Amino acid sequence: SQELEQSPQSLIVQEGKNLTINCTSSKTLYGLYWYKQKYGEGLIFLMMLQKGGEEKSHEKITAKLDEKKQQSSLHITASQPSHAGIYLCGAAKSPNTGNQFYFGTGTSLTVIP
Amino acid sequence: ETGVTQSPTHLIKTRGQQVTLRCSSQSGHNTVSWYQQALGQGPQFIFQYYREEENGRGNFPPRFSGLQFPNYSSELNVNALELDDSALYLCASSPGQYFFISTDTQYFGPGTRLTVL
Repeated sequence: SQELEQSPQSLIVQEGKNLTINCTSSKTLYGLYWYKQKYGEGLIFLMMLQKGGEEKSHEKITAKLDEKKQQSSLHITASQPSHAGIYLCGAAKSPNTGNQFYFGTGTSLTVIP
Repeated sequence: ETGVTQSPTHLIKTRGQQVTLRCSSQSGHNTVSWYQQALGQGPQFIFQYYREEENGRGNFPPRFSGLQFPNYSSELNVNALELDDSALYLCASSPGQYFFISTDTQYFGPGTRLTVL
């Protein structure tokens, strides 16, 4: 069963609009990773957050991890068609299994030109 | 481009058959993980190998097995295929065993699409 809940499941936005994707866990997260997946393809690493309250940005994408390390958000500013795809959050199962991940169900993003 | 390759790209099998999927990791990456991604779902962890030893396993039956070789290649074998095994199979490699301690990550291949009829 999925232990990471993502919302929304899908998102359709007009080009230029801002959007936010959320990832929530009932347990403390030991490293939270955001990936982007083009339909039917492999995952591309976006960002990793580890510390409570941490925030990272890359180009127009900003990811935050809350203080309790149970919720993360991914914010895209001024969306472009190149941002379209499936966004997945992933987390380590435990500190002793650092790179054995469980993933959220994904958020499908469509950007209309 | 992640430097991780998988073969074949697509595969069609019938129920009951056996299949071997292959992955070639980046040189120097001692850890390889395999994931199953059903349509519309996030990837599910199958198992992980570190330096040719199984290092963790998800909730998958024994008919899912794997091998990792010294040349940074690995295999996922599935016996007695079932219809529900139809999915995208992803492998991911990383240099160390506990990469989240550093800022490293795991690098995913493009996947193999398996269809079981």
